[in-house]
Amino acid sequence: AQTVTQSQPEMSVQEAETVTLSCTYDTSESDYYLFWYKQPPSRQMILVIRQEAYKQQNATENRFSVNFQKAAKSFSLKISDSQLGDAAMYFCAYRYSNYQLIWGAGTKLIIKP
Amino acid sequence: DSGVTQTPKHLITATGQRVTLRCSPRSGDLSVYWYQQSLDQGLQFLIQYYNGEERAKGNILERFSAQQFPDLHSELNLSSLELGDSALYFCASSAGGGNSPLHFGNGTRLTVT
Repeated sequence: AQTVTQSQPEMSVQEAETVTLSCTYDTSESDYYLFWYKQPPSRQMILVIRQEAYKQQNATENRFSVNFQKAAKSFSLKISDSQLGDAAMYFCAYRYSNYQLIWGAGTKLIIKP
Repeated sequence: DSGVTQTPKHLITATGQRVTLRCSPRSGDLSVYWYQQSLDQGLQFLIQYYNGEERAKGNILERFSAQQFPDLHSELNLSSLELGDSALYFCASSAGGGNSPLHFGNGTRLTVT
């Protein structure tokens, strides 16, 4: 069965610094999709970034980028120049075909001013 | 704005009662997902519909039911409510392809007293 593991329940970073959130997953599929969502205190679920497994190039969205290591089944999120508004729960998710997403337990990110 | 509309935003009701949560997906999205999120917990997948048909079922209690109508809006019915059903209920929609991210509504906060 597919699983997603986020091994860091909580991370903290100084404002303007860079932080990396870890995510590993387990699957026997070769073609799949990976996502990072954030959930700020307002509890909205917001898509941060996505990656197709068949693409070797790591996805980037402004200050957010991923390090996708397919062989290691690793999908980490790097946030550069951290801002106070980045404080949130971050969830990693895996999807095979158009089935439901498999979610990690989340990492709480604290930004220190 | 994700384009997914959930009503009501808040709902307070007593144990044993029945409530209906409503979701209008983004224009053009055929898939609708329902999730439950208890305080400080991750997302629990309840059920997925695709173009009116049930596609996948998660940890949905027998007291809960859902449907997707021809106009693609969806309703989640919760009956014989218990205190433990108090949670944030999210609806999400996607276009259907594997690389299509889920777009979340703002959720319905249910409080059972």
